[in-house]
Amino acid sequence: GQQVMQIPQYQHVQEGEDFTTYCNSSTTLSNIQWYKQRPGGHPVFLIQLVKSGEVKKQKRLTFQFGEAKKNSSLHITATQTTDVGTYFCAGRGPYGGSQGNLIFGKGTKLSVKP
Amino acid sequence: DTEVTQTPKHLVMGMTNKKSLKCEQHMGHRAMYWYKQKAKKPPELMFVYSYEKLSINESVPSRFSPECPNSSLLNLHLHALQPEDSALYLCASSNGLQGNPGANVLTFGAGSRLTVL
Repeated sequence: GQQVMQIPQYQHVQEGEDFTTYCNSSTTLSNIQWYKQRPGGHPVFLIQLVKSGEVKKQKRLTFQFGEAKKNSSLHITATQTTDVGTYFCAGRGPYGGSQGNLIFGKGTKLSVKP
Repeated sequence: DTEVTQTPKHLVMGMTNKKSLKCEQHMGHRAMYWYKQKAKKPPELMFVYSYEKLSINESVPSRFSPECPNSSLLNLHLHALQPEDSALYLCASSNGLQGNPGANVLTFGAGSRLTVL
């Protein structure tokens, strides 16, 4: 079945350093979403990418969707302690029904040392 | 604050108990979901209701029984659970409108943390 691989599993950075997490799908995706889950919290939607090669920015966060719509990345510039949490990508397959449901990556847990 | 409200926040139950988790949203969303999340793992889909009809059951054991009384409410009835069912149970909703770009963007509730003794 469809899988979404996400790396790295953990990332420890010094405050001010950059951070990137990557997702790769075994199949072409219709779209990909990114969620952030703070420690002890629940996943919160960050962004959705739909178009091949799409790049979107939210302040210090840059999201990319690959040309083949099989990979995506989230890059954070100059991390802050408020960026701490687990970042999940979630890909949606090209078909409807259960095959079109969101498949979550395993997440990247980001810790930031002040 | 989240626009999806879940109760209770915490629940401890024995293996012979019957309990229910409740979820409510007033965003007019037509799709509602139950996810199970174990520590350090991603959310795992259990059930999807679309327009108040069960559309997806991801091979969940019958000791979990979902119910959608109306378009705003979603329940998860629990009976004869096992200790390995202890987890964070997340409810989510999406607008579910075909062709809408945000159709499957999930708004999660804060979750119900379940401990089965």
